[in-house]
Amino acid sequence: GAVVSQHPSRVICKSGTSVKIECRSLDFQATTMFWYRQFPKQSLMLMATSNEGSKATYEQGVEKDKFLINHASLTLSTLTVTSAHPEDSSFYICSAWMGGVSSYEQYFGPGTRLTVT
Amino acid sequence: AQSVTQLDSHVSVSEGTPVLLRCNYSSSYSPSLFWYVQHPNKGLQLLLKYTSAATLVKGINGFEAEFKKSETSFHLTKPSAHMSDAAEYFCVVPYTSGTYKYIFGTGTRLKVLA
Repeated sequence: GAVVSQHPSRVICKSGTSVKIECRSLDFQATTMFWYRQFPKQSLMLMATSNEGSKATYEQGVEKDKFLINHASLTLSTLTVTSAHPEDSSFYICSAWMGGVSSYEQYFGPGTRLTVT
Repeated sequence: AQSVTQLDSHVSVSEGTPVLLRCNYSSSYSPSLFWYVQHPNKGLQLLLKYTSAATLVKGINGFEAEFKKSETSFHLTKPSAHMSDAAEYFCVVPYTSGTYKYIFGTGTRLKVLA
């Protein structure tokens, strides 16, 4: 149980275009979803936290107009990279949390490799 | 404030020998602690978690970790390394004051030599 999927797994886009990445919790409802960015050989960097039906909370230094996050339902969150540039190329990972204080475990998706040419 | 420190950025072991990946934490109270593994170009998989029950925690693939409050440590061990264990390992503590998120260690890359 507790499976999180991401789509697409890899995407290549041209500079200036926008790309949408989907994150779905397949067998549970996610109170909160998280979006991370990971540079090569580095740890995960939290970009934003989103709760269903409310605006995402972005970490300091993350441009909210560039990385649009929508959390329309308890099982789906999307990250849209707007007007992508080569420096946005990275590995993006989402995770989901069921909520409640009995467990703080996040369940991670398999990641999306974005390459901007 | 909570934090985690992974003391080694790289660890190399020979196949069949023990693995030790070190993690120290800082917390004003007894935290939950997690170890995750990440294989190349993959998401994170939970190896094991400590949630204030037993201090010796057994996880998947033969890994275990011991929570030592006196040493503020949560080191990950495995008696005998396998080639498939080569990956990046992250020690994580959840931050739960006012908001909720994960605090990640910087990661330890494990290399297993044939």
